[in-house]
Amino acid sequence: EDQVTQSPEALRLQEGESSSLNCSYTVSGLRGLFWYRQDPGKGPEFLFTLYSAGEEKEKERLKATLTKKESFLHITAPKPEDSATYLCAVFNKFYFGSGTKLNVKP
Amino acid sequence: DAGVTQSPTHLIKTRGQQVTLRCSPKSGHDTVSWYQQALGQGPQFIFQYYEEEERQRGNFPDRFSGHQFPNYSSELNVNALLLGDSALYLCASSRRRGTGNTEAFFGQGTRLTVV
Repeated sequence: EDQVTQSPEALRLQEGESSSLNCSYTVSGLRGLFWYRQDPGKGPEFLFTLYSAGEEKEKERLKATLTKKESFLHITAPKPEDSATYLCAVFNKFYFGSGTKLNVKP
Repeated sequence: DAGVTQSPTHLIKTRGQQVTLRCSPKSGHDTVSWYQQALGQGPQFIFQYYEEEERQRGNFPDRFSGHQFPNYSSELNVNALLLGDSALYLCASSRRRGTGNTEAFFGQGTRLTVV
């Protein structure tokens, strides 16, 4: 059965403390993986699409990478405004993980 | 360029009633997907519409139905509302490409509360 699992469920960082969020998937014939950011009570905001293993994409303090079984969202020197829930989803059927709730303290 | 717009933003309904939610996709997009998001959970896929037909469906009962209009806008209908239907309902639009879709852009959602 297709599954998308994100870890950790919640992550608390100090401002400037870099870390990574994980998204593992079991989907046959993956055709791409999406990362989204979601603020409370709002719709998800698109961040990245990754299509093939080895691919990397960057945007400001965020970098997303993809392997054959998982994707990582690396956050370098985060700021309080990076606090949000980060969701990953597979391209095939828009299956979402449950998200990682990131809290960055000043 | 307007993004994905949803209406209404908030709605309160009584158990057993019916509700209709609306979505206008981003310009240039032809595919609309609907999701239900409970508090603290990721979005759960309800169904997807393309060319005015339901193309894919998630694990939701027949009480959930939809429609897509020729201008690509879409409606989500839920009949016989249950307390458990209370959630944020999200609409996402994308453009069909081959056998999949481009990345989806989401609206701000409709917060449905069933009392």
